[in-house]
Amino acid sequence: DAGITQSPRHKVTETGTPVTLRCHQTENHRYMYWYRQDPGHGLRLIHYSYGVKDTDKGEVSDGYSVSRSKTEDFLLTLESATSSQTSVYFCAISVMEQETQYFGPGTRLLVL
Amino acid sequence: QKEVEQDPGPLSVPEGAIVSLNCTYSNSAFQYFMWYRQYSRKGPELLMYTYSSGNKEDGRFTAQVDKSSKYISLFIRDSQPSDSATYLCASYNNNDMRFGAGTRLTVKP
Repeated sequence: DAGITQSPRHKVTETGTPVTLRCHQTENHRYMYWYRQDPGHGLRLIHYSYGVKDTDKGEVSDGYSVSRSKTEDFLLTLESATSSQTSVYFCAISVMEQETQYFGPGTRLLVL
Repeated sequence: QKEVEQDPGPLSVPEGAIVSLNCTYSNSAFQYFMWYRQYSRKGPELLMYTYSSGNKEDGRFTAQVDKSSKYISLFIRDSQPSDSATYLCASYNNNDMRFGAGTRLTVKP
């Protein structure tokens, strides 16, 4: 799992509540990514970061924000969770080049 | 139309069979092509990585890219029950990584 941990691993929350997911890496890689995985859609990029305080939007960024105040941590925030954000969320890092990404174990989020 | 299309299966084969997994993509700008393997309730793991057209072999696995037809293939020889997983294809160019929806493979002993 390329030294990536995600927390929490499972979360159940209610519609309208804020949720923050954390991704932590141990090897100071520059690029970090947040994806969501849904049946029939595969993995879709939410946001990515190319350095401390440097982030950009991905394919499905609406309703999500990110922050990266330290190289090792990349946070994903759902400001006001909706049922459509029920998903499995994966963090990834690029070890050498951006096209080779390595994934964390995932966080299963259920929004009731 | 999705950027990367992949038949979801499921695909079931007997142990020892040759498995062929395929994807098509629509964006001719994609230059890098990957295959990931994902076991149930785990994160995807990078299996094969190819730049541009051609073949790449790694043990029992062969990745093939045909850019003229925008076709990506993964062949598994002598398939084993431990190969049972979901296989995701992916294409990348310039900060844009797109995944197929995944093909679920079962190899029966």
